[in-house]
This record gives sequence, structure tokens and C-alpha cells, in this order.
Amino acid sequence: KQEVTQIPAALSVPEGENLVLNCSFTDSAIYNLQWFRQDPGKGLTSLLLIQSSQREQTSGRLNASLDKSSGRSTLYIAASQPGDSATYLCAVISGTYKYIFGTGTRLKVLA
Amino acid sequence: SAVISQKPSRDICQRGTSLTIQCQVDSQVTMMFWYRQQPGQSLTLIATANQGSEATYESGFVIDKFPISRPNLTFSTLTVSNMSPEDSSIYLCSVNNRQNTEAFFGQGTRLTVV
Repeated sequence: KQEVTQIPAALSVPEGENLVLNCSFTDSAIYNLQWFRQDPGKGLTSLLLIQSSQREQTSGRLNASLDKSSGRSTLYIAASQPGDSATYLCAVISGTYKYIFGTGTRLKVLA
Repeated sequence: SAVISQKPSRDICQRGTSLTIQCQVDSQVTMMFWYRQQPGQSLTLIATANQGSEATYESGFVIDKFPISRPNLTFSTLTVSNMSPEDSSIYLCSVNNRQNTEAFFGQGTRLTVV
């Protein structure tokens, strides 16, 4: 059974710092991995999608990497801003087309 | 991409009543997914709604509590029945792209049961 874990569970950093969020999964047989952002009480916004054949994806200040063999992904946020404060979720999709979500990292960027 | 509209965006309900949540997609999709996110928790899949057949429920979720309709390829409803305070959660509708490689979510329904 696929399990997805994210560390740290919470993170508080001063504005301008570069930071790394971690995601690990137990079954490497995935189709892709997707990173989402969730603002309090809201739905999910897709940030980056990495297909199983890819190693990384970049969008603006965000960079996500994927190492399938070791069951790990990282989300790198450069030059963090207070507007980046949110919960970040990673999710993997496998053969059943269902997404299995991680436990999330609550990020707070202090001005 | 897909644009998903969910209604209502939030509601406060009395225990023992039922609430039906609607999910409308701007394109035809084979599968629609319903998730629950309890306070401070991650998302848990409730069921997969397929057009023309019964929904497939995940372990721990039953049709009597969470009946689902899927009348066509762009619409689905989830009903939370006989609600208790433990049902207070955000309920989210999701669809995949045609290749089933990317997920899109509605803005969610924030339910509070008092």
C-alpha cells in the first residue's frame, strides 16, 4: 500500500530564505508526482507536475525534483516571500489513477 | 486543464441533516473523485464516481453515508447523510486529465456540523 510522507510538518522562515520541502513515498511504481499549494480553508492549486520519466520541473521560483528509485521528491522555493505562506502537499498517482496525498508541510514566511 | 466548480463553498448544518455538494466540470471526464480533508489533516479519497455505474468507495466509506450521483460526464454530487460534528471537513471534487497523469481540484466545500 502506497504511503506518502512529508517533512517537515511545519516550517517558519524569514522572508528571502531559500527552502526545501521533502516528500517520500513507499512504492516507486508511480506514474507521476504532483505538488499542490493549499491556502487555509481553500481548495488545491497545482504547482508542479513531474512525470515518472522526468527528473525535475521548474516554474518561476519553484523547482521540484523526483528520484523514483529512492522514493523521494523535493520542492525547492527560492527567495521565499510572505505570499508563499500556505500548506504544500505532494501526491503520487499510480496504476489505479487515484492520488495518494502526503501529510503536508505548513509553511509560514515571516516579513 | 479542467475548470471545476463546487457548490456550496461552505455551509453550517445541524446534526442529523444531510447536505448535497455539487461538482461541475467544464469538459467531459470519465472519472470524478471525491475527497475529504478533516481539520489539520491531508486529503483522503472517499470514492470514485463513474458515469453509468455505481461509485467505487474506499475502505472506511459507505454508500449509505456518502451517496454519490453521476448523471453525466460533467457533473456529480456527493451527499453527506445524517451528519454529525465528526463530518466537519472540507470536501473536494477532483478530475484527472485525459491521460490520467494530472489532477485538478475544485475549490472545496467547507462543512461545519453543529
